[in-house]
Amino acid sequence: GAVVSQHPSWVICKSGTSVKIECRSLDFQATTMFWYRQFPKQSLMLMATSNEGSKATYEQGVEKDKFLINHASLTLSTLTVTSAHPEDSSFYICSAPKGTQYFGPGTRLLVL
Amino acid sequence: EDQVTQSPEALRLQEGESSSLNCSYTVSGLRGLFWYRQDPGKGPEFLFTLYSAGEEKEKERLKATLTKKESFLHITAPKPEDSATYLCAVHPIQGAQKLVFGQGTRLTINP
Repeated sequence: GAVVSQHPSWVICKSGTSVKIECRSLDFQATTMFWYRQFPKQSLMLMATSNEGSKATYEQGVEKDKFLINHASLTLSTLTVTSAHPEDSSFYICSAPKGTQYFGPGTRLLVL
Repeated sequence: EDQVTQSPEALRLQEGESSSLNCSYTVSGLRGLFWYRQDPGKGPEFLFTLYSAGEEKEKERLKATLTKKESFLHITAPKPEDSATYLCAVHPIQGAQKLVFGQGTRLTINP
């Protein structure tokens, strides 16, 4: 298998602040990573594809100015939720491909 | 449009009671079909990849099979620790490496 980590595992913030979530591939390099969002008892919803060395590709309906993605290196992608609001509260999960897709443990965001 | 439908939405079994989960899919072309297990509050854990009709893979009490239209995840003599949500996803030929997920089946195994 392959290992993907996320940090932090959970975060609570006030409305209007920005939150950064890191996704790292620990034992392999990934030119592409994926960011998902998951609401309770629902499946994963792909938000965007993070590309090393180029701009991220966002899925339809996802605000690129609100969810900033930076693929800083071949092992690190970050998702920044800007000016977070309570409706942004969710479980955010990243994945990276190494033959198959391997997922991180997720980050639970609660915006008060 | 590529679609994945899982059934049932939820399944409750007694320990030792074997059953199957279904994943039906429609894609323009299939690069691979994946099964994942997800525990509450955690990311999906990879179980199997299937590439072509007729292929089967096994891991402990789980066996995954694939036809041209659907995949089954068979659970034999399950234990309470098998309780989780099982997710099916397809990797279409078109769409780079993006996966299309089903809604999942929440499996509960009662002791």
